[in-house]
Amino acid sequence: DAGVIQSPRHEVTEMGQEVTLRCKPISGHNSLFWYRQTMMRGLELLIYFNNNVPIDDSGMPEDRFSAKMPNASFSTLKIQPSEPRDSAVYFCASFDYNEQFFGPGTRLTVL
Amino acid sequence: DAKTTQPPSMDCAEGRAANLPCNHSTISGNEYVYWYRQIHSQGPQYIIHGLKNNETNEMASLIITEDRKSSTLILPHATLRDTAVYYCIVRVRGDQGGKLIFGQGTELSVKP
Repeated sequence: DAGVIQSPRHEVTEMGQEVTLRCKPISGHNSLFWYRQTMMRGLELLIYFNNNVPIDDSGMPEDRFSAKMPNASFSTLKIQPSEPRDSAVYFCASFDYNEQFFGPGTRLTVL
Repeated sequence: DAKTTQPPSMDCAEGRAANLPCNHSTISGNEYVYWYRQIHSQGPQYIIHGLKNNETNEMASLIITEDRKSSTLILPHATLRDTAVYYCIVRVRGDQGGKLIFGQGTELSVKP
């Protein structure tokens, strides 16, 4: 298994632009999580899905952030419009009841 | 989920055992202790988990006190590649889809 796949690995964009981050979870895992990591705030849970349904989005910082999971093998996290304070590493993870498996992350820089 | 307390940083000599403590005095009876680590610039990685018995796997050992209010993660022969931030998390196993709330963790530096 290739593990959790995220794309792109790096994204540099300008303030105001739309950013879409993508995640492919491990096949057979029913839960998917999006996290954000910054030096100031550490690792924060943004949202998680169970069986493709959003269960808890209380960590989503603002309405500029949205996440979807149209099927069991794909999820997106969108930021529109992006701001410099959104610069961070965004991790996706999927869960198999015992442990979470994290992807390599997307490093987002908003200029 | 119960709150955990970990020292912010620790050093360990290469080849020696690294003992990382975690306090979780408010842990509930059905909450497990999980350990993850994050090597620089990578996603967190699961290490081990336990309920009340000591656990060992190929990566580490987990020692949980009898009252379950604290635990210690042991890396028996630390290598430079074990330099990472180690997170102790307590949660009900399988609850909320496996949701994890990360604290600040312990930054372990393994030195030659």
